[in-house]
Amino acid sequence: DVKVTQSSRYLVKRTGEKVFLECVQDMDHENMFWYRQDPGLGLRLIYFSYDVKMKEKGDIPEGYSVSREKKERFSLILESASTNQTSMYLCAYGTNHNLDFGPGTRLTVT
Amino acid sequence: GENVEQHPSTLSVQEGDSAVIKCTYSDSASNYFPWYKQELGKGPQLIIDIRSNVGEKKDQRIAVTLNKTAKHFSLHITETQPEDSAVYFCAASKEQGAQKLVFGQGTRLTINP
Repeated sequence: DVKVTQSSRYLVKRTGEKVFLECVQDMDHENMFWYRQDPGLGLRLIYFSYDVKMKEKGDIPEGYSVSREKKERFSLILESASTNQTSMYLCAYGTNHNLDFGPGTRLTVT
Repeated sequence: GENVEQHPSTLSVQEGDSAVIKCTYSDSASNYFPWYKQELGKGPQLIIDIRSNVGEKKDQRIAVTLNKTAKHFSLHITETQPEDSAVYFCAASKEQGAQKLVFGQGTRLTINP
């Protein structure tokens, strides 16, 4: 019963490239989230969205933007990828306190 | 803002033994404390949570305890099994809404057969 899918499991991009990470949820939830996971730093919130075309900054939004044109799809955009954005990116949808995560996209920027 | 510290960063135990992971939080107003388990190749999954009006909660082999005075909470896994091997994250929140969760650094638990 897959609820959240992410477009790629592994991605390698070059510095300066524009990168799109796609996330789709099939549970018709309003709230969607993008986190990055780094060793020793846990999970940090990048952006979240309450509804279509709505977005809010999380704790580390610098260097990222998002797009939510349809309820089921939430995209994370790296306008100009840098090596310090090499990380695991996790998409999730959430209700109240709980989060349901996708499997993640491991992005490497060289 | 809230800060959550999690220890240890890695933990290795023999199958059948118990494992304990500890977290401390800084904001005394925090009132919700979930634990997530991340298996290899998967996203984190909520396994148990506790609210500030209780001191302990159990679900089969896992339990969570909360000490509000000391501002720390712990995950206890008894009779560990190989499938318990994973990365565990604690989190804390003082407001409604998943975006308010502040996560700990994570603990990689390895169960040795």
